[in-house]
Amino acid sequence: SYELTQPPSVSVSPGQTARITCSGDALPRKYAYWYQQKSGQAPVLVIYEDTKRPSGIPERFSGSSSGTMATLTISGAQVEDEADYYCYSTDSSGNLVVFGEGTKLTVL
Amino acid sequence: QLQLQESGSGLVKPSQTLSLTCAVSGGSISSDGYSWSWIRQPPGKGLEWIGYIYHSGNTYYNPSLTSRVTMSVDRSKNQFSLRLTSVTAADTAVYYCARVNLGCSGGRCYRYFDLWGRGTLVTVSS
Repeated sequence: SYELTQPPSVSVSPGQTARITCSGDALPRKYAYWYQQKSGQAPVLVIYEDTKRPSGIPERFSGSSSGTMATLTISGAQVEDEADYYCYSTDSSGNLVVFGEGTKLTVL
Repeated sequence: QLQLQESGSGLVKPSQTLSLTCAVSGGSISSDGYSWSWIRQPPGKGLEWIGYIYHSGNTYYNPSLTSRVTMSVDRSKNQFSLRLTSVTAADTAVYYCARVNLGCSGGRCYRYFDLWGRGTLVTVSS
């Protein structure tokens, strides 16, 4: 089986930069994606293809990937960014889909 | 604006079969470049991919669930469905349907979930 590893939690003060990491053996060959999930809501895509931001997502959200690690960066985190964040990718075959276990971001 | 809406039984008895349908509106389920998927989330836990289906009917399931899962598509009704047999309490979860964006870019091929339904809670209990 294939796994993506994230830290369980990250905490920052408002206005600080939050960084959430995701490690996986296939990330040098496969794109990473990031989903934001607020309490009681469906996930929302915030970063796709490692670094791209969908329309409507604030510019403070950015993504990067190097080697076996992808990183979601929230520059100047705001209270409304508090949520669970999940990284997502596929294994080397492209068929097996996997989510990371999620990172709870606290902004206070 | 394409939208997805899950429907089905919210309460299923242990050992019985869970059945859900996802209605697609604002677009065609037969559009090229997309497939369709189910994802679930047990209360307080993370996301688990269940499987995906192409409008042709071809499927690919999570290996951990493949013996119990069947997905189907009804192009005439613009919807797709999930059946999960022999359910237990561990199958209690919010079930989401989602559109899968398929393609290749920058020398890499990808599939990812770009649109989600709101989710429906299914509880397995006697």
